[in-house]
Amino acid sequence: DTEVTQTPKHLVMGMTNKKSLKCEQHMGHRAMYWYKQKAKKPPELMFVYSYEKLSINESVPSRFSPECPNSSLLNLHLHALQPEDSALYLCASSHRQGRTMNTEAFFGQGTRLTVV
Amino acid sequence: LAKTTQPISMDSYEGQEVNITCSHNNIATNDYITWYQQFPSQGPRFIIQGYKTKVTNEVASLFIPADRKSSTLSLPRVSLSDTAVYYCLVGDKGDSSYKLIFGSGTRLLVRP
Repeated sequence: DTEVTQTPKHLVMGMTNKKSLKCEQHMGHRAMYWYKQKAKKPPELMFVYSYEKLSINESVPSRFSPECPNSSLLNLHLHALQPEDSALYLCASSHRQGRTMNTEAFFGQGTRLTVV
Repeated sequence: LAKTTQPISMDSYEGQEVNITCSHNNIATNDYITWYQQFPSQGPRFIIQGYKTKVTNEVASLFIPADRKSSTLSLPRVSLSDTAVYYCLVGDKGDSSYKLIFGSGTRLLVRP
């Protein structure tokens, strides 16, 4: 199984809503990532988890709250988002062994988020 | 991470070989060079990775000169389905805080 599964595929939410994006992988990867991608732009790194601990937060606003409940799951909790947060949200995973992170990452298909 | 520079876009025709060059003048000694492909509304897909000289797999070849300040992704005999954005990334495979940062990418259009 070389898949990263993201749910839902599409999400429309109001600015006062609370929602969560989910990401799952069963490849034994211990590094997991959240990216945000706007149309015709490259993916922008948001968070990196390593061995279920948050290792990188790229100065992301607190209305985005990541969570890694176990080695296979990664969540992104959303609260009080703005319309400009509408984007494709991508999850990725890669092997991490000790202090080495593999640059071959596997990406999910993304969640298309629209904030209204 | 070393910054990368790629052409914004390239056009080609079916059956041709396409070479996309990436500049990474500030590449560090431990940095690897990795290429990803992305189709619209899909996540990026790993294509190939190398450190020096030449690497080849079933999809592409990667050429890296001795000074490693640039690299060239070669796609043999492209088809319409190779129309996508191609990203070049450099980074330290051994860095505990490795970030996997994407540059601007090259938008490849393959015409019939």
